[in-house]
Amino acid sequence: EAQVTQNPRYLITVTGKKLTVTCSQNMNHEYMSWYRQDPGLGLRQIYYSMNVEVTDKGDVPEGYKVSRKEKRNFPLILESPSPNQTSLYFCASSLLGLAGYEQYFGPGTRLTVT
Amino acid sequence: GENVEQHPSTLSVQEGDSAVIKCTYSDSASNYFPWYKQELGKRPQLIIDIRSNVGEKKDQRIAVTLNKTAKHFSLHITETQPEDSAVYFCAANSGSARQLTFGSGTQLTVLP
Repeated sequence: EAQVTQNPRYLITVTGKKLTVTCSQNMNHEYMSWYRQDPGLGLRQIYYSMNVEVTDKGDVPEGYKVSRKEKRNFPLILESPSPNQTSLYFCASSLLGLAGYEQYFGPGTRLTVT
Repeated sequence: GENVEQHPSTLSVQEGDSAVIKCTYSDSASNYFPWYKQELGKRPQLIIDIRSNVGEKKDQRIAVTLNKTAKHFSLHITETQPEDSAVYFCAANSGSARQLTFGSGTQLTVLP
């Protein structure tokens, strides 16, 4: 089944404790992206990747890191999480960028930083 | 960068009536405008999209119109049903087609 998976689905952590949220897709998509969703703000893009070893900042990259060592995986890293990073995070992928190619979203990861 | 504004933030309609959600964008180079539906607790799912070389697109009860001159696009849902109740997001890509900017969402409630 073609899908985007994320792990963990739920995470409660403390300020400053490094964490990684994994994202994987099995559709051989070149484009992958991370979004955060907060009430009243819609989805905001954190980072995106056009292909292996090619990543770029989105609208809200501060406090986040990503890597794209393999085509299928695009982990999101929070080196020192803070409470303002409490949010719902979605990973997404599309075949060849955003010029008319549908984005498929993962199930989401709800992160709480205390 | 791109800025997308979406109105209204909430919309209630009677079952069978039509619903219209409007969005404006700022980047004249944007050329792809998707609409997503997000049910409570679930991931966003694409329901319809339109490219800048097309003025209107329909898919059964859903249609999207695009006015490039005015830089706005709208989602039209006809004959609404209770299962249409959800949050709807519009979005626009950047001129480079590598970034997607979302509107703030519209909570649509279809009253039986």
